[in-house]
Order: sequence, then C-alpha cells, then structure tokens
Amino acid sequence: QVQLQESGPGLVKPSQTLSLTCTVSGDSISSGTYYWSWIRQPAGKGLEWIGRVYASGSTTYNPSLKSRLTISIDTSKNQFSLKLSSVTAADTAVYFCASISTWYSSVDYWGQGTLVTVSS
Amino acid sequence: EIVLTQSPDFQSVTPKDKITITCRASQFIGNSLHWYQQKTDQSPKLLIKSASQSFSGVPSRFSGSGSGTEFTLTINSLEAEDAATYYCHQSSSLPFTFGPGTKVDIK
Repeated sequence: QVQLQESGPGLVKPSQTLSLTCTVSGDSISSGTYYWSWIRQPAGKGLEWIGRVYASGSTTYNPSLKSRLTISIDTSKNQFSLKLSSVTAADTAVYFCASISTWYSSVDYWGQGTLVTVSS
Repeated sequence: EIVLTQSPDFQSVTPKDKITITCRASQFIGNSLHWYQQKTDQSPKLLIKSASQSFSGVPSRFSGSGSGTEFTLTINSLEAEDAATYYCHQSSSLPFTFGPGTKVDIK
C-alpha cells in the first residue's frame, strides 16, 4: 500500500511562494503505476485538483492555477513537490498529496494533508 | 471543465438505513466516475472506482452504479462509522473535478 506524507511551511506571506514536498513510501515513484498529484481543500469547502506529475517528469496542471504552478519529481528521493507562486488568502487550504491510478484515474491513496495559511 | 452536482446536500439517517447519493455530470463521462468518503479532519478515502468497482478493503455495503451522466452511490445497512461527507470525482477529462459533497449524519 502506498503511503504519502506532506511536508513544508504552514504559514506563507502574501505574494510569496508556497512550497510543499510529498514523500512516498510503499512504492517506487518511478514504477509508472501512478500519477503523483496535489489536491487542496479550503476549510469547510470541497476538493480542488491542482495538478499531477508522472515518473517521466511530464506534468498536467489545472488551468485555473497553471500560470503560478510548478510540480516536479525527484526519483532519487522518492518525492514530488509543489510550488505555487504569488499566493493570496484564497490559496489558504489543506493541501493533500495523492496517487492517481494510471489505469483508472481514481485517487487511490491520499496523504494526511497539511494546512497552509497565507497571511502576513 | 466538467461540472459535477450531487444530491442531496445533506442527509440524516439512522443505523441500518439504506441511502442513495446521486452525482450528475454536465457532460458525458462514460464510467470515469469515482466515489470517496471523508470523515471529519481526515483525508478522503477511495470507495468506488470507475462507477461500480469497489476499492480494496471497502466494506460490501458500499456500491456504485451508473454511466454517462448519472451515477449513484448506495450504502446499505448504514453503520455509525459511515458518518462522513461523500464526494464524486470525474476523470474523463482534464482538469479533474469533484462534486460539492453530500454530508451524511447518523442520528
């Protein structure tokens, strides 16, 4: 079973860059079984898909965030990362890293989530 | 972008009840529809993939059906531990989108 764990600052100032890392265990991030993805959830609200990266480094982003977003993968560390630039209070949310099945495109496994607050 | 709507928004039920949650897509998505359960202060968990296939380890009281634009999640003989918000998710086209959720409260 795949396990995912988010890490990174819980507080980011407006206009700065939000950076998170997800460490994967239980599977090689290079296996090709999953896309590695980020999803966020503002407090009390629904889920928003942010984007995904494949083992090859190929990425797909949500158009609503694309201009500010970079998702990358580090196969040597079995990690993938999120960078979201020029953040505002609207980016305050719980950020989940997750694995998306390459076969079904279901989100099979989720990290526990990490709260990122954008505030000065 | 494909929009998913769910009904009802909220349902209060008693243990052993059966409930059905509906998810409708704004356009045809085949069977590219998945269901998740999110309990308070937890991450979502996959219940059903590809409209009707149970994910590993999910109790048999959870089942899914539908195709095209209308889908249902059925929970038979509800248990107290099933109190949660349930989300549908489409993977037919990018960007992936989620429904707004259905909150299930156990009386």
